[in-house]
Amino acid sequence: GAVVSQHPSRVICKSGTSVKIECRSLDFQATTMFWYRQFPKQSLMLMATSNEGSKATYEQGVEKDKFLINHASLTLSTLTVTSAHPEDSSFYICSARVPGSGQPQHFGDGTRLSIL
Amino acid sequence: ELKVEQNPLFLSMQEGKNYTIYCNYSTTSDRLYWYRQDPGKSLESLFVLLSNGAVKQEGRLMASLDTKARLSTLHITAAVHDLSATYFCAVGSGGGADGLTFGKGTHLIIQP
Repeated sequence: GAVVSQHPSRVICKSGTSVKIECRSLDFQATTMFWYRQFPKQSLMLMATSNEGSKATYEQGVEKDKFLINHASLTLSTLTVTSAHPEDSSFYICSARVPGSGQPQHFGDGTRLSIL
Repeated sequence: ELKVEQNPLFLSMQEGKNYTIYCNYSTTSDRLYWYRQDPGKSLESLFVLLSNGAVKQEGRLMASLDTKARLSTLHITAAVHDLSATYFCAVGSGGGADGLTFGKGTHLIIQP
């Protein structure tokens, strides 16, 4: 079945560090991928839509200069959290939808980011 | 702005019992999803509902969609402990090209 791979699964780093998270669609091409953030015991919030070959679309309240998104190929989107601070600590999850009617969005395994 | 309301947010039930989780959404949508999340894990797709009156079943779980009422239900039949998890409904629009708006989730605990 369709698989979305996300890497790394866990990052612990110091405040001020920039962190890059990769999201790959392993057996299908995804012109659009999505990035979500989930705080502990809360729901998922859509951060941005990553579009292959064009600029990402950010949700209201999400700083585009803080969360850099690059979708350079049909199977890879990256999210870079720049100059991360403790308040950026969260669970970041990407998703992609297999083309075709009735297909769900498949989610990566998530990246748990902890900023000290 | 699309809003998705889920209830209950917390549910503790005994094995063997039946229960229903409700998901209401505020604007017209062409697809509704149900996902399961185990602690510390990502989301597992359960159902995709595309049309009014759609009903899907997998094991002890059954999901339905009423687009006129903007309501979806996830029914659990004869619950077993392995179904303990957090269940999210999510709504998409724009032909599937948009990101999803999630409900707050239902934290389900099934006790022996």
